[in-house]
Amino acid sequence: KQEVTQIPAALSVPEGENLVLNCSFTDSAIYNLQWFRQDPGKGLTSLLLIQSSQREQTSGRLNASLDKSSGRSTLYIAASQPGDSATYLCAVRPRGSGGSNYKLTFGKGTLLTVNP
Amino acid sequence: GAGVSQSPSNKVTEKGKDVELRCDPISGHTALYWYRQSLGQGLEFLIYFQGNSAPDKSGLPSDRFSAERTGGSVSTLTIQRTQQEDSAVYLCASSPGGTQYNEQFFGPGTRLTVL
Repeated sequence: KQEVTQIPAALSVPEGENLVLNCSFTDSAIYNLQWFRQDPGKGLTSLLLIQSSQREQTSGRLNASLDKSSGRSTLYIAASQPGDSATYLCAVRPRGSGGSNYKLTFGKGTLLTVNP
Repeated sequence: GAGVSQSPSNKVTEKGKDVELRCDPISGHTALYWYRQSLGQGLEFLIYFQGNSAPDKSGLPSDRFSAERTGGSVSTLTIQRTQQEDSAVYLCASSPGGTQYNEQFFGPGTRLTVL
């Protein structure tokens, strides 16, 4: 059974700092990995999607990497801002048999606070 | 370019009542998913619809939960005889469907509180 772990559970940094959020998964048989942002009381906003054949994706100040063989992904946020404060979730789409490869398995998230 | 919409945004109900949660997927998306986010539990898959195929209901926690998708678009998640443990945020997502590489786009969720 696929398990996704995110470390740390919470992170507090001063504004302007570069930071890394970590995501690990137990089964490397995946189609892709998605990073999401969730603001309090809100739904999920997709940030980056990395296909299993890719090593990284970039969007603005965000860079996500994927090392499928070791079951790891990182989300790098450059020059953090108070507006980046949110919970960041990673999710993997398994390359499973039996037709269940559409169910995302989520980590429990990292709560990021960027202090002005 | 409207995204996934859900209604209501918040629902407070009494234990034992039935509730209906609605999801409008992105136009043209053939795949629709329901997830539940409970405090301390993370996000869990509930049900999946793809086109006219039979839905995958394997994630529904009990027979009090059911969902339908009419006309391949709007979906309704129904919870009968609600219990306090049903309190959670219910999230709907859609994707273009077809391939396994498609990104899932999420709605804002419905926060359900069962008193």
